[in-house]
Amino acid sequence: ETGVTQSPTHLIKTRGQQVTLRCSSQSGHNTVSWYQQALGQGPQFIFQYYREEENGRGNFPPRFSGLQFPNYSSELNVNALELDDSALYLCASSRGRGAVTEAFFGQGTRLTVV
Amino acid sequence: AQRVTQPEKLLSVFKGAPVELKCNYSYSGSPELFWYVQYSRQRLQLLLRHISRESIKGFTADLNKGETSFHLKKPFAQEEDSAMYYCALNSGNTPLVFGKGTRLSVIA
Repeated sequence: ETGVTQSPTHLIKTRGQQVTLRCSSQSGHNTVSWYQQALGQGPQFIFQYYREEENGRGNFPPRFSGLQFPNYSSELNVNALELDDSALYLCASSRGRGAVTEAFFGQGTRLTVV
Repeated sequence: AQRVTQPEKLLSVFKGAPVELKCNYSYSGSPELFWYVQYSRQRLQLLLRHISRESIKGFTADLNKGETSFHLKKPFAQEEDSAMYYCALNSGNTPLVFGKGTRLSVIA
């Protein structure tokens, strides 16, 4: 059983640019959730995808968007990057829609916006 | 709105001493509560959940609905327990809501 993998592990972008982060879900999981973890904070929910459809969204602006593919892998896209977008972005995969009994996390992508 | 509060950013205890990491939540319904742990250079992983009522690595946590708390306890701390601990809440069709975390440092 393969775990959740995220790429890249580190990324530096300039303010105003766009970024795409990728996540491969654990085998057998059809739900992917994305979280933003700023320094010294707990993970904050961005959105969740279940079987290729968005299934819930946190308090993030529309420039944060995502996709889920037929193999349940997922992308997080952020447009018009701002300095405050600098954070660790975590992907978590699980089985089932909405309610989560156990989420398996990737190692994260550390995004730095300069 | 659901909220999880972990009042301590850092908790330092001596090896062999008891540990209690505090977690309080606000939610009017029946939540599911979890503790996640992140060891140094490792990914966030589930430690335990209240519905399982199990002890993992010597840790236990009891859901107290009257006090809206889900404190994590261990009678004798070990050095390998040093990590970042996050309390999280899930209710119905919502995603996990995390607290800000408590860093546990076990001193030899």
